[in-house]
Amino acid sequence: NAGVTQTPKFQVLKTGQSMTLQCAQDMNHEYMSWYRQDPGMGLRLIHYSVGAGITDQGEVPNGYNVSRSTTEDFPLRLLSAAPSQTSVYFCASSYGQGTDTQYFGPGTRLTVL
Amino acid sequence: GQNIDQPTEMTATEGAIVQINCTYQTSGFNGLFWYQQHAGEAPTFLSYNVLDGLEEKGRFSSFLSRSKGYSYLLLKELQMKDSASYLCAVREWDNNDMRFGAGTRLTVKP
Repeated sequence: NAGVTQTPKFQVLKTGQSMTLQCAQDMNHEYMSWYRQDPGMGLRLIHYSVGAGITDQGEVPNGYNVSRSTTEDFPLRLLSAAPSQTSVYFCASSYGQGTDTQYFGPGTRLTVL
Repeated sequence: GQNIDQPTEMTATEGAIVQINCTYQTSGFNGLFWYQQHAGEAPTFLSYNVLDGLEEKGRFSSFLSRSKGYSYLLLKELQMKDSASYLCAVREWDNNDMRFGAGTRLTVKP
């Protein structure tokens, strides 16, 4: 198993550009989520999905869109990048939600100029 | 909503024991997690507590008191590789959100 994979590892965008961060897992996990991690603030939940076709907002959803057309993939779209979106983005998955352990991908380091 | 507080930084000596505290406020507690994160890497799961008491897993133990909104992670026989950030996270019943503390950066010195 590859676990949770994310691409790209690094990305630099200009303000106003759009892009998609890719996330995939091969563990047949139902629950997937996106976090951003900023210095001194910990991980903050952006969006999550409890299964294919179902998504919901987390703590900081503004400026981001997600979709979940398959169990394996959960892409995160930045609609119009802003410098405030400079961060490290982690995708995570777990078998269920409640008490299940989340497995994190390696992260994408995004810089918006 | 939740407030999750943990110390920003701690330093300890190789071979020693260190306790990292986490306090939280939540409207519907559904479990507390500890993760380890080395610099530049993804968080990895360490422990999970949902009932009061101590959970032991090798050199690492985690304690929970729900009435006090308090948990700690205990690391014994510290090794240099234990230098990392330790993240406390709480999940609530009434939503699927998992909130993380800002993390405690532990430095282990020889």
